[in-house]
Amino acid sequence: EVQLVESGGGLVQPGGSLRLSCAASGFTFSDHYMDWVRQAPGKGLEWVGRSRNKAQNYITEYAASVKGRFTISRDDSKNSLYLQMNSLKTEDTAMYYCARWIEGRCDYWGQGTLVTVSS
Amino acid sequence: DIVMTQSPDSLAVSLGERATINCMSSQSVLYSSNNKNYLAWYQQKPGQPPKLLISWASTRESGVPDRFSGGGSGTDFTLTISSLQAEDVAVYYCQQYYSPPLTFGGGTKVELK
Repeated sequence: EVQLVESGGGLVQPGGSLRLSCAASGFTFSDHYMDWVRQAPGKGLEWVGRSRNKAQNYITEYAASVKGRFTISRDDSKNSLYLQMNSLKTEDTAMYYCARWIEGRCDYWGQGTLVTVSS
Repeated sequence: DIVMTQSPDSLAVSLGERATINCMSSQSVLYSSNNKNYLAWYQQKPGQPPKLLISWASTRESGVPDRFSGGGSGTDFTLTISSLQAEDVAVYYCQQYYSPPLTFGGGTKVELK
């Protein structure tokens, strides 16, 4: 059974940093692209970024709204995906989901971890 | 970026009745080389992550009830729930994956009348 479990969310002040983790199981993690998608409270879904797999040289892609502030990485030996978030803004407050990317869409999602940016 | 526009924002449907959700993309998401529409539909129930229902505009994922169907091509798409059940109350999102960045529609909330 595919499982994705996010962790690392919490309350952080504007300008601060936070690192989210996503632990994957039930599939060959190293074969897959992995995405981060966020959802502000009461709002819709916003794609944050992607980590391609080893075959694609772990290329990362980012939404314009987070480029230069967020960094996606992964450790295939630990079946884990990470999102390092720096220079956080109040508008980054959201539930952050990791999702498995396959042939163009996100077929499995974690339960999410909540990030609140507030003073 | 490709902008995805859903309508209506919300709709109330009686049990057993049909619900139709529209999704329009700002440019075609039909890839001519394989004749596939790079369009997916997700269902999100309160307090839960999104769940993939349909990919390639009309291919239901395994385990998705056949009352859910997707249609359309190019820039205009629909998600139809043929006979609404209580468990279908949710917000539904379309998403294009034709070109980066991946973009979602604003969502359509389906409620019981």
